[in-house]
Amino acid sequence: GAVVSQHPSRVICKSGTSVKIECRSLDFQATTMFWYRQFPKQSLMLMATSNEGSKATYEQGVEKDKFLINHASLTLSTLTVTSAHPEDSSFYICSASGQGASYEQYFGPGTRLTVT
Amino acid sequence: QQQVKQSPQSLIVQKGGISIINCAYENTAFDYFPWYQQFPGKGPALLIAIRPDVSEKKEGRFTISFNKSAKQFSLHIMDSQPGDSATYFCAARVIGANNLFFGTGTRLTVIP
Repeated sequence: GAVVSQHPSRVICKSGTSVKIECRSLDFQATTMFWYRQFPKQSLMLMATSNEGSKATYEQGVEKDKFLINHASLTLSTLTVTSAHPEDSSFYICSASGQGASYEQYFGPGTRLTVT
Repeated sequence: QQQVKQSPQSLIVQKGGISIINCAYENTAFDYFPWYQQFPGKGPALLIAIRPDVSEKKEGRFTISFNKSAKQFSLHIMDSQPGDSATYFCAARVIGANNLFFGTGTRLTVIP
């Protein structure tokens, strides 16, 4: 299957700072990328969907000014958590979809964010 | 409202046994039903998927059974192994859309 990478895999930041997470599709062009959040022992919660070159579409209840998403190229999307607080600590997972991947959603390995 | 309902929440199976996880949905616009396997600290990985025009799909030890009239589908893991211990998510996708609706997950433990 297609490969999606995320960086970093783990990040610890202080409360009030911002942190950026990168999601890359390594062997196909991702026309659509998705960002999920997962709490321990829970399912994936879709935060936003982004199409290359367009503004992201956020799910209800997700603050777009807090979770900035950029999908500037067909292989890269970034999620920036601004002014992070301890309640933002979570496991963030991206996925990518595109013609080269038969429009399946392929998931990255996730990023564990801890805000102290 | 949970679009895809999944059960059981957790499952313990002896090595060599059959693991069965069930999912149900209401939206008849769903046309694609994948199953994902997730190990702790990792992202989900596509395991097997089915479209509603077939009633069963088998890949190795993994089989999806699909009942369109009942709006239910299930994952069967034959000859379950300790390495199958993971959380399994069913999902569904609407025709023409990209978004996936996930079930709540089933934590499978296969004991030796």
